[in-house]
Amino acid sequence: AQTVTQSQPEMSVQEAETVTLSCTYDTSESDYYLFWYKQPPSRQMILVIRQEAYKQQNATENRFSVNFQKAAKSFSLKISDSQLGDAAMYFCALGTDKLIFGTGTRLQVFP
Amino acid sequence: DAGVTQSPTHLIKTRGQQVTLRCSPKSGHDTVSWYQQALGQGPQFIFQYYEEEERQRGNFPDRFSGHQFPNYSSELNVNALLLGDSALYLCASSLGTGVYEQYFGPGTRLTVT
Repeated sequence: AQTVTQSQPEMSVQEAETVTLSCTYDTSESDYYLFWYKQPPSRQMILVIRQEAYKQQNATENRFSVNFQKAAKSFSLKISDSQLGDAAMYFCALGTDKLIFGTGTRLQVFP
Repeated sequence: DAGVTQSPTHLIKTRGQQVTLRCSPKSGHDTVSWYQQALGQGPQFIFQYYEEEERQRGNFPDRFSGHQFPNYSSELNVNALLLGDSALYLCASSLGTGVYEQYFGPGTRLTVT
């Protein structure tokens, strides 16, 4: 079975600080993708960052970066210079033939 | 360029009724995937449509069915509604059946009373 686990139901960060959201996954597939999606109160899922499992280099998108540890099946998201607009639910997802999501982490950003 | 659109935004139905939700994919996309997101949970994959056929299906009963039209838009039908079907239903479109780049719509909030 393929699973995604997010063990932090809620996290908070001060504006301009850095926060890391954790995710672990399990799959027997050798070819897969990992994603972080953001879901603001508007409900629309927005792709934040994507990592191909065959790539050793960690993906980076502006203030967002990941720490991909393939052997440990770990995929954390680091948000640098946090902004008020980063406040949302964040979902980690495993992609093989379909997307499998974790239960999400609610991120609060305080001024 | 219109993104993924879904209708209606909200819907209230009674147990036992049937419901149809609609999704129009992003321009240029040919594949539609449907997800159910219960309150406080992550989305769960229901099924995927490509070339007007169901290509994959998640662990959902036959009460959940779908259709894809020649213009790539899609419908999700749920029969014999249960209270547990109350959820946000998300549609995602992509070019091809891969997961590399799926664009999500804003969802339809279904409440079953």
